Amino acid sequence: GAGVSQSPSNKVTEKGKDVELRCDPISGHTALYWYRQSLGQGLEFLIYFQGNSAPDKSGLPSDRFSAERTGGSVSTLTIQRTQQEDSAVYLCASSRHGQGANGYTFGSGTRLTVV
Amino acid sequence: SQKIEQNSEALNIQEGKTATLTCNYTNYSPAYLQWYRQDPGRGPVFLLLIRENEKEKRKERLKVTFDTTLKQSLFHITASQPADSATYLCALAHNAGNMLTFGGGTRLMVKP
Repeated sequence: GAGVSQSPSNKVTEKGKDVELRCDPISGHTALYWYRQSLGQGLEFLIYFQGNSAPDKSGLPSDRFSAERTGGSVSTLTIQRTQQEDSAVYLCASSRHGQGANGYTFGSGTRLTVV
Repeated sequence: SQKIEQNSEALNIQEGKTATLTCNYTNYSPAYLQWYRQDPGRGPVFLLLIRENEKEKRKERLKVTFDTTLKQSLFHITASQPADSATYLCALAHNAGNMLTFGGGTRLMVKP
């Protein structure tokens, strides 16, 4: 597609429920990143996929968070047993050949609210 | 610990003036530094990249400087316009294969 697509754009869930957030990167971009942005804050790195390499999961805040990237394209970020502190905007980005030097292309994000 | 600091206070300037935003970092040796623009409800948009061996980079009304001795980057918007009002984020990476680490951003307000 022309840009990075994320769905849903908004998600309200009850505490304790599981949620899945989807990211469809730009076609041909081999690198995919997930970040989290809390209100008025900067971006917090979560996880990074590059081609067929093992993902860099060093930013995941707890074992309730996991992500997959199927077929080197679409990625799903799953949060299990959601907590109120998980409320944030989850942003996905992609870049060509893992070379962030060319700049990331971000989606518009999924706003997650845990009530 | 590694830190990337941007002024958290909003910068208010008059239309036509030059806006200057600062990005300072500590305990970091970045290979390159990037600047992004973020509008409310949107993801960041890539603006400019500058490498560690470059002092200055320009693109239209934008200019970025990179001082690895001071560990600082300055981002300038000349002849600012109300449409330039947004939050501007700096981001660093150790090398092209690493993910970017972002600063907290500075909100710029350009008044007509």
